[in-house]
Amino acid sequence: QSVLTQPPSASGTPGQRVTISCSGSSSNIGTNTVNWYQQLPGTAPKLLIYFNNQRPSGVPDRFSGSKSGTSASLAISGLQSEDEADYYCAAWDDSLNGHVVFGGGTKLTVL
Amino acid sequence: EVQLLESGGGLVQPGGSLRLSCAASGFTFSNTAMSWVRQAPGKGLEWVSGISGSGGTTYYADSVRGRFTISRDNSKNTLYLQMNTLRAEDTAVYYCGKGAYSSSYYSRVDVWGQGTTVTVSS
Repeated sequence: QSVLTQPPSASGTPGQRVTISCSGSSSNIGTNTVNWYQQLPGTAPKLLIYFNNQRPSGVPDRFSGSKSGTSASLAISGLQSEDEADYYCAAWDDSLNGHVVFGGGTKLTVL
Repeated sequence: EVQLLESGGGLVQPGGSLRLSCAASGFTFSNTAMSWVRQAPGKGLEWVSGISGSGGTTYYADSVRGRFTISRDNSKNTLYLQMNTLRAEDTAVYYCGKGAYSSSYYSRVDVWGQGTTVTVSS
């Protein structure tokens, strides 16, 4: 059971817009920034979004992040087949001496 | 180019020990916080531990506190994870990760290594 809650799966057709939610609490998302990671099959994760809504260089602007209260969302517009991957949210949690918490991950399928 | 190369994984019996290493290059290692993140077979990501650039501050997940020790040698640009009293549930791919600052924001991992596999089994 992950501290941050994500839907286990999501899907969309090419060109569509999909969103993935990440729900937390006041000790993590409520007071700290959220990061999103993309993990393509058989590869290491890659940073997709940091500071809630910032994209590292090289990440297409089709990917966007937002945060409100104790929840965050990742949106992918103009869905492409290469976007099929697992997506994880992560945040610092102030409880228990401080630690990082991840969501359980969302497997995105491009139909 | 930033590179992280993990090593030290392998098969170990329950109760045994293992030390993972992560050789870093392409950035100022001593000014950068580092983390270990693991992924059990078919499961999601789990943060294990983080350390500040100076090595003076460390953090651990509850699941490993007291058994694992994170450390770094800034003269060798190398991060370590000493794992003791290993359990079957520690079986995972262990990733080394580069932070964005000398401390804080440990949930932001800018660059990931390719991972090293640890299997705990008799």
